[in-house]
Amino acid sequence: DARVTQTPRHKVTEMGQEVTMRCQPILGHNTVFWYRQTMMQGLELLAYFRNRAPLDDSGMPKDRFSAEMPDATLATLKIQPSEPRDSAVYFCASGSPRSGAAYNEQFFGPGTRLTVL
Amino acid sequence: SQKIEQNSEALNIQEGKTATLTCNYTNYSPAYLQWYRQDPGRGPVFLLLIRENEKEKRKERLKVTFDTTLKQSLFHITASQPADSATYLCALDIGYQKVTFGTGTKLQVIP
Repeated sequence: DARVTQTPRHKVTEMGQEVTMRCQPILGHNTVFWYRQTMMQGLELLAYFRNRAPLDDSGMPKDRFSAEMPDATLATLKIQPSEPRDSAVYFCASGSPRSGAAYNEQFFGPGTRLTVL
Repeated sequence: SQKIEQNSEALNIQEGKTATLTCNYTNYSPAYLQWYRQDPGRGPVFLLLIRENEKEKRKERLKVTFDTTLKQSLFHITASQPADSATYLCALDIGYQKVTFGTGTKLQVIP
């Protein structure tokens, strides 16, 4: 069955290193979201795209984070340079709003657990 | 900005009872409100969506209410089972699929 996939599932890196997380949305979904989840802050929206165009990245620290969709099957979230406070689980989700319908569910991937030492 | 409050304390209930989880929000009323379930080590899974002009929505043992006057949604699980144990997140959808999530309530159903 259709799922959102994310790689890597776990990443341990040292402060200052570049981290790239990848997401493959469900085929046919035109909206992709990046979230970060921590115990303290919960699930925070970092950025989202519709039809590969960025719609909102106001939740993302612009100086070190960047999000892109090179094509419809791949979304990337990059952190450069990484810092210990970036340690969190990063989720990608995809969705496909139905015109005229109240159905806006999001399908989440399994997440990437990032630890920055 | 929109603030969402869910019971920060874990909720423990006996199997077979009805679990009721609360989601309160401030500021403007959202176009839709959603509930998700999250198990440890996994991403959230969508359960139910309710629109601002709907008072109640049901799906099997789940029921969601939405009171825009009180700025509150209640999420009920009837005849609860140990398999219902998870963290439940409410999310406010302000349209265009942009949502703000609450921090979640951890539910533990005791056999």
